[in-house]
Amino acid sequence: EAGVTQFPSHSVIEKGQTVTLRCDPISGHDNLYWYRRVMGKEIKFLLHFVKESKQDESGMPNNRFLAERTGGTYSTLKVQPAELEDSGVYFCASSQGVNTGELFFGEGSRLTVL
Amino acid sequence: AQSVAQPEDQVNVAEGNPLTVKCTYSVSGNPYLFWYVQYPNRGLQFLLKYITGDNLVKGSYGFEAEFNKSQTSFHLKKPSALVSDSALYFCAVSAPSGSARQLTFGSGTQLTVLP
Repeated sequence: EAGVTQFPSHSVIEKGQTVTLRCDPISGHDNLYWYRRVMGKEIKFLLHFVKESKQDESGMPNNRFLAERTGGTYSTLKVQPAELEDSGVYFCASSQGVNTGELFFGEGSRLTVL
Repeated sequence: AQSVAQPEDQVNVAEGNPLTVKCTYSVSGNPYLFWYVQYPNRGLQFLLKYITGDNLVKGSYGFEAEFNKSQTSFHLKKPSALVSDSALYFCAVSAPSGSARQLTFGSGTQLTVLP
C-alpha cells in the first residue's frame, strides 16, 4: 500500500514568488491534514480536510496561503506571494478516523524562500 | 489553548542503557497523548498513544510511555537503547472534542544513541 506522498521534496524560491505543494494521501483516507515545522521549532497545525471540505483551517497563518482538495483526493497548498518567514518543512498527513490521532505522514516538502 | 513541552533538545545515551525522552503537556479536559518518531529523510511515524486505561502504554520498537496525570507528563522510555533508535522524537497532545481536537506537537527531541 502506498503511503502519503508529497511533491516537491524541496523547493527554493525567491521572496514574492509562488509555490504550490502537493499531497497525495493514502487511498481511502477521508481526513487530510497540513502541518508546518519552521526553523526546528514545533510542528504546527495548518488545516484539516474531510474529503473535499475544510473542517478546520484555524492554523492557516494568513491569506497568502490557499489549500484545496479537489474531489476529496489529492490536496495542494499554494503560497502566494511567498515571504521569508514561510520557509520550513510542510508535512501532509492522512487518516481514516478523526480522533484516533494516529496520522500517517508524508516525508514533507522543504520550502526555502530567499 | 493546549501545549506540549519537550524540555530537552538533545538526549545522548549509550547503546544498551535505558533512555527517557521527556514530555509535559497542558490541555483542558482529558488528554489524548502521542509519540511520533522521525528518522532522517523520512516522514513522522506513529509510535504509541494514550487515550484511556492503563497509565503505561507500550508501542512499536520496544518503546513505552507512562501517563502521569498529577505531573501532566508523558515521558517516552525504552529499557535498552539501540543505535538504530537515533532519531527525532515528537510528543503530541489533543483534546477529544471541540476546537482543540487537532494534534499539538512539541518542538522535538533529537535522540542520539552512541555505540
